[in-house]
Amino acid sequence: AQSVTQLGSHVSVSEGALVLLRCNYSSSVPPYLFWYVQYPNQGLQLLLKYTSAATLVKGINGFEAEFKKSETSFHLTKPSAHMSDAAEYFCAVSDRRRDDKIIFGKGTRLHILP
Amino acid sequence: NAGVTQTPKFQVLKTGQSMTLQCAQDMNHNSMYWYRQDPGMGLRLIYYSASEGTTDKGEVPNGYNVSRLNKREFSLRLESAAPSQTSVYFCASSELRGGFETQYFGPGTRLLVL
Repeated sequence: AQSVTQLGSHVSVSEGALVLLRCNYSSSVPPYLFWYVQYPNQGLQLLLKYTSAATLVKGINGFEAEFKKSETSFHLTKPSAHMSDAAEYFCAVSDRRRDDKIIFGKGTRLHILP
Repeated sequence: NAGVTQTPKFQVLKTGQSMTLQCAQDMNHNSMYWYRQDPGMGLRLIYYSASEGTTDKGEVPNGYNVSRLNKREFSLRLESAAPSQTSVYFCASSELRGGFETQYFGPGTRLLVL
């Protein structure tokens, strides 16, 4: 069974600083991995997804994530934080069978300090 | 395309009351999902439906029932609401593209059970 662990329920960074949100996964088969973002009082939006085409995945709003099989990690980064990045971020995993469930992590709330 | 729509947006129930949360998607997706989101718990899967006429339990199905009325609609029913069911409920649908599922979320329903 798959699972994801997001390290840190809250992360604070200064505006302009590097954003690093950590995600480790567990999967018995090569996984598909996702990052979703939820802005206040809104639903979830897909940021980016890993499907094995490339280990470094670029998403919307300047975010990217790198799949590291040896570390079972899929950390989300952005070189320079912006105030508008304040939101909750969810890492998710799915195996490659069609119609399988997508399992979400517990989320990390990103705070941007002026 | 309206995407994934949910009704109602807000609801207050008394303990023991019943209600149905409605979800519809106009993207011709086969798979649909119901999640609940609670602080510090992330998203937890309640039920999902891989196709019209099929439903399966997720992580937290107790106290809920679902109905996949047709390809477009997937409803979630609380027969006897309990305060522990106070949550934000998200419906999602997914498509198979490039060999993997990508989920699209509705705006959510905020439910308060007194």
